[in-house]
Amino acid sequence: QQKVQQSPESLIVPEGGMASLNCTSSDRNVDYFWWYRQHSGKSPKMLMSIFSNGEKEEGRFTVHLNKASLHTSLHIRDSQPSDSALYLCAARRNSGTYQRFGTGTKLQVVP
Amino acid sequence: EAAVTQSPRNKVAVTGGKVTLSCNQTNNHNNMYWYRQDTGHGLRLIHYSYGAGSTEKGDIPDGYKASRPSQENFSLILELATPSQTSVYFCASGDADINTEVFFGKGTRLTVV
Repeated sequence: QQKVQQSPESLIVPEGGMASLNCTSSDRNVDYFWWYRQHSGKSPKMLMSIFSNGEKEEGRFTVHLNKASLHTSLHIRDSQPSDSALYLCAARRNSGTYQRFGTGTKLQVVP
Repeated sequence: EAAVTQSPRNKVAVTGGKVTLSCNQTNNHNNMYWYRQDTGHGLRLIHYSYGAGSTEKGDIPDGYKASRPSQENFSLILELATPSQTSVYFCASGDADINTEVFFGKGTRLTVV
């Protein structure tokens, strides 16, 4: 079964620091990637999407995509305690109907 | 923002019993999904639907059935619940367009004893 793999499993960063999260798809037919954030006890909510090679920035959040390697990364600068959450990567085929999710990276931002 | 409502929010069921989880969306999305979330496994797709009357198997459909009687409603049915089905279940909906996000309900915590 095709998989979406995320690393690291967990990450602790100091407040104000940079958090870097990684995601790779083993499905060569994947064309679209999303990043979702899930706070403890809540449902996942989309944070950012990226469909083209390169970089996309929204405030403190930047995503990169390399389609050749099917790798995307999420970078959070000036991390805040409110950024502490589970970050889920999702991928979808161009011909597909659903998003397949990775196991997530648990981010903890400590004061 | 898209609204997806799940019921019940919490459920305790007995082994061998029948469980029905319900989901309603008011955004006229064509696609609806049922995922389960377990520590170490992320979100795994159980069943999905393209529209009223359709249901498709996801990655882990064994032990589950789904029903989509209308555009708004999508149910997940456990005919014979087992303790291994103890989990948090999320319903989600999204447009048919390939590049749109998925909107999740608040989840149902199911415990099978």
